[in-house]
Amino acid sequence: AQSVTQPDIHITVSEGASLELRCNYSYGATPYLFWYVQSPGQGLQLLLKYFSGDTLVQGIKGFEAEFKRSQSSFNLRKPSVHWSDAAEYFCAVAPRSNDYKLSFGAGTTVTVRA
Amino acid sequence: ETGVTQSPTHLIKTRGQQVTLRCSSQSGHNTVSWYQQALGQGPQFIFQYYREEENGRGNFPPRFSGLQFPNYSSELNVNALELDDSALYLCASSPGLAVFDEQFFGPGTRLTVL
Repeated sequence: AQSVTQPDIHITVSEGASLELRCNYSYGATPYLFWYVQSPGQGLQLLLKYFSGDTLVQGIKGFEAEFKRSQSSFNLRKPSVHWSDAAEYFCAVAPRSNDYKLSFGAGTTVTVRA
Repeated sequence: ETGVTQSPTHLIKTRGQQVTLRCSSQSGHNTVSWYQQALGQGPQFIFQYYREEENGRGNFPPRFSGLQFPNYSSELNVNALELDDSALYLCASSPGLAVFDEQFFGPGTRLTVL
């Protein structure tokens, strides 16, 4: 069955420390891949996306993600976290054969401590 | 600020009632998608409309229906409400049909069914 998994429900990180959020997918072929952020009371905002080409993708707010085909993963990273990065992060996929339908993972909540 | 607005912000209904949620897309965006986000979960795709026609649908029963209007507004209607319909409902607009057109999300409508 097709699925997208975010193994970490909650991550706590110190301000200034690095952050990595994991995302694994299970699809017949490499889907389109996305990371979104959701702050309280805000809509989802697209951080970055991967369709093809360079496997290291740069996004907004200093985030990057690396696509690893062999591991079916698309992990999100940030070298130095700011307090404003506290939010919920969602990995999403869309199969190339049916590309209007975004499927989201369950999300990872990030808490930033001073 | 994505330019996508939703109303109302919060809504309380009782089981068996009907509800209409509204979304105003960005001007020029011909596609609107609706998602249901239950507490602690990622958004689930309900359906998508393109130029006032349904373009695709997720695993939701027919009592979930939608409308899209020429003025870039749209509606999500849910009949015969059930307790499990309690969730945050998100709409997202995009210029075209494919997922590589970035979807801009509204802040959502929080529906509580008692």
